[in-house]
Amino acid sequence: ETGVTQTPRHLVMGMTNKKSLKCEQHLGHNAMYWYKQSAKKPLELMFVYNFKEQTENNSVPSRFSPECPNSSHLFLHLHTLQPEDSALYLCASTKSGTGGFGELFFGEGSRLTVL
Amino acid sequence: AQSVTQLGSHVSVSEGALVLLRCNYSSSVPPYLFWYVQYPNQGLQLLLKYTSAATLVKGINGFEAEFKKSETSFHLTKPSAHMSDAAEYFCAVSDRSGGSYIPTFGRGTSLIVHP
Repeated sequence: ETGVTQTPRHLVMGMTNKKSLKCEQHLGHNAMYWYKQSAKKPLELMFVYNFKEQTENNSVPSRFSPECPNSSHLFLHLHTLQPEDSALYLCASTKSGTGGFGELFFGEGSRLTVL
Repeated sequence: AQSVTQLGSHVSVSEGALVLLRCNYSSSVPPYLFWYVQYPNQGLQLLLKYTSAATLVKGINGFEAEFKKSETSFHLTKPSAHMSDAAEYFCAVSDRSGGSYIPTFGRGTSLIVHP
């Protein structure tokens, strides 16, 4: 196992479905991030967790619900999404605290399509 | 608040030519600066980072960047472009909020390499 792993890589869901995205990091980091990347738009920070505690929620709609059970795992629970939520969702991790500089290590992303 | 400006959403070069991708930042404190690369359908990968040591930073794949405080710039260069360098490049500056690093990304520059 290497780096940051995201599953599933591709997901198609209807607006009434409930699904979850999973992220796992094997780098010994203690901070994890969710980003949304839409076509023609900048990267949007959604959530930040530091030592399992949520430290940032960038005004994300409640239909996105994050969960961080430990420093290695991060989930994004999805329900009643809208077509405009279709995007690439990227998970990242870093070492916070002494010796860290904020460089992020990204997973390959989960491509979400909402019909 | 910190911000990052990447001049030019697209840069086109010939194979073997110099690559220059521009990045300017605003920060109230000495920054940590990064360049990332994103290939199609993948996550972002760290190319190089500046953490207040040497102002000329060397990264992977022959890229380097120079931190110029007086110009608030961190431009990315490579002496000779290769076809495999075609990708999206993101400049980022990192800030601390609470105990977490919060990176701010530029909008990205798409590098096109012609044979």
